[in-house]
Amino acid sequence: GENVEQHPSTLSVQEGDSAVIKCTYSDSASNYFPWYKQELGKRPQLIIDIRSNVGEKKDQRIAVTLNKTAKHFSLHITETQPEDSAVYFCAASRNTGNQFYFGTGTSLTVIP
Amino acid sequence: SAVISQKPSRDICQRGTSLTIQCQVDSQVTMMFWYRQQPGQSLTLIATANQGSEATYESGFVIDKFPISRPNLTFSTLTVSNMSPEDSSIYLCSVGGERGTAAYEQYFGPGTRLTVT
Repeated sequence: GENVEQHPSTLSVQEGDSAVIKCTYSDSASNYFPWYKQELGKRPQLIIDIRSNVGEKKDQRIAVTLNKTAKHFSLHITETQPEDSAVYFCAASRNTGNQFYFGTGTSLTVIP
Repeated sequence: SAVISQKPSRDICQRGTSLTIQCQVDSQVTMMFWYRQQPGQSLTLIATANQGSEATYESGFVIDKFPISRPNLTFSTLTVSNMSPEDSSIYLCSVGGERGTAAYEQYFGPGTRLTVT
């Protein structure tokens, strides 16, 4: 089955700086890669995703890049704000069946 | 996107008993899934709830322990059977394939926090 690794497990940045979270996956058939943000006590929220037919996708301060050859993808948050503090999870799946396999999570703290 | 609710939101149960968790969606969805999230951990897929047929379980999860029903396109239940303290966790349903959204996106319910004493 799919194995998704995520690094770092914790990340602290100063407000206004950028944050980068990286994930690798093992199943070359995976072709959909979402990112979720989970605030304490809340449900995971889909914040951005990318499909394997594109290399990069951006939504305001958030961007995701994908390298299918190397089987890794990354989340980039620019101009970080305290409200970006949360746990971020990457995931990988094939379209078929749509089972998601999650990374271990990154706890991001943005220091005001 | 769909409004997803779960009942109960939390419960404290005794060892050896069973708890059934409900997941209700306000619109029809193609896919429903059940995940477990232990404290401070990631999300682990338990099973895919298939409408009108038996659920598809991931490695390490079995039907006798986690029976799942999905009678229609808006509702599913997960039962945690013969509970032990190791079952203490947050259980989340997720849905995908709602009309008007991309088929591969998934959205999560609010979760059920289960404590087994």
